[in-house]
Amino acid sequence: EIVLTQSPGTLSLSPGERATLSCRASQSVSSSYLAWYQQKPGQAPRLLIFGASSRATGIPDRFSGSGSGTDFTLTISRLEPEDFAVYYCQQYGSSSWTFGQGTKVEIK
Amino acid sequence: QVQLVQSGTEVTKPGASVKVSCKASGYTFTGYYVHWVRQAPGQGLEWMGRINPTTGGTNYAQKFQGRVTMTRDTSINTAYMELTSLRSDDTVVYYCAREEDGTYNYFDYWGQGTLVTVSS
Repeated sequence: EIVLTQSPGTLSLSPGERATLSCRASQSVSSSYLAWYQQKPGQAPRLLIFGASSRATGIPDRFSGSGSGTDFTLTISRLEPEDFAVYYCQQYGSSSWTFGQGTKVEIK
Repeated sequence: QVQLVQSGTEVTKPGASVKVSCKASGYTFTGYYVHWVRQAPGQGLEWMGRINPTTGGTNYAQKFQGRVTMTRDTSINTAYMELTSLRSDDTVVYYCAREEDGTYNYFDYWGQGTLVTVSS
């Protein structure tokens, strides 16, 4: 099973700042199968990025994804108040899906 | 519009079983896999498995093999997840989610979640 490790665990930033979230895989992941989700308290996760770098429908362009192999990054260029949430990376491989443990982006 | 609507909160006892439903609407139910993902309070997301609504074929995460059964009823566009031999650490929120039908295998729509509480 591929293990995804996200860092940092918590990111304390102010609105308008840039957020950089990391997702590292225990073995190589196809870029096609790497996704990012946002989750707010009491809500289901929401798809942000698929295929490592493609934004889902309706996702603002301040969200971007990059990376390949074992290292992937989610960047939020300028944090808006509604962006403070928990972010998860997810991968698919061999009929199995795994999630990272999440990065919480909190208001500083 | 695509919707996945799950059954309501369950309270059950250790050793018992629970069956959660997920009713799909707004799309062709048999065209997309349905997954189940769970989340303990304040914790991350854990994939449990998926079902092919057309064939009924399933893939389960190794952790839940032998304890989980996923089924579907295509006449009412509903998927089910049954978990047996419940323990206190099964007190979590269970989500169903639809898998994208193309190349990328991500989850594009999610149910609202069902809280299952296991307590004596």
